[in-house]
Amino acid sequence: QVQLVQSGAEVKKPGAAVKVSCKASGYTFSDQYMHWVRQAPGQGLEWLGWINPSSGGTNYAQNFQGRVSLTRDTSISTAYMELNRLTSDDTAVYYCARAYGEFPFRFDPWGQGTLVTVSS
Amino acid sequence: DIQVTQSPSSLSASVGDRVTITCRASQSISNYLNWYEQKPGKAPKVLIYAASILQSGVPSRFSGSGSGADFTLTISSLQPEDFATYYCQQSYNTPYTFGQGTKLEIK
Repeated sequence: QVQLVQSGAEVKKPGAAVKVSCKASGYTFSDQYMHWVRQAPGQGLEWLGWINPSSGGTNYAQNFQGRVSLTRDTSISTAYMELNRLTSDDTAVYYCARAYGEFPFRFDPWGQGTLVTVSS
Repeated sequence: DIQVTQSPSSLSASVGDRVTITCRASQSISNYLNWYEQKPGKAPKVLIYAASILQSGVPSRFSGSGSGADFTLTISSLQPEDFATYYCQQSYNTPYTFGQGTKLEIK
């Protein structure tokens, strides 16, 4: 079955960077875009950006431009999200999600989420 | 950016009730609207995509309607497992924005 498995929880200090991985299985990794979404504690969902695993092309939300970097390693079917210059406002669960279907697409499935805690 | 306004933010209902959640986009998004269900501590799961298409495996008591800027999610007869938070999301244009969520609670 199609599955996305993310790396484990992280605790970082303000100003540091974090890199979260998302390993895909059950489908051809290069065939569908991978998106990243975050959710602060008790809050809603916020889209960060997407990566085209085939070309490596990316698109980032304006709020995260210059601070987020999406990359991938097609040899191991894994996508990565790196967020720099962390502040306490970046404390959240970070999800990867496959964009499935032609336009309109939907996010299906999602990874299990990775909690990133930013604290001094 | 396209704003997506979801209402109500919370809803109290009983098993067997029919409930409706609405989502309004700040501009026309055709049928580029998805609905997700999220339970505590879990990732969201798609219920409805392209405004009205039921995701495979999702019970038929869930339905979606609308096009343009106004959309609804209806649960025809609430079951105990439906008490969760529901989000709409537009896939028309980046940034792909979500509604604020509707928390469905047991009355």
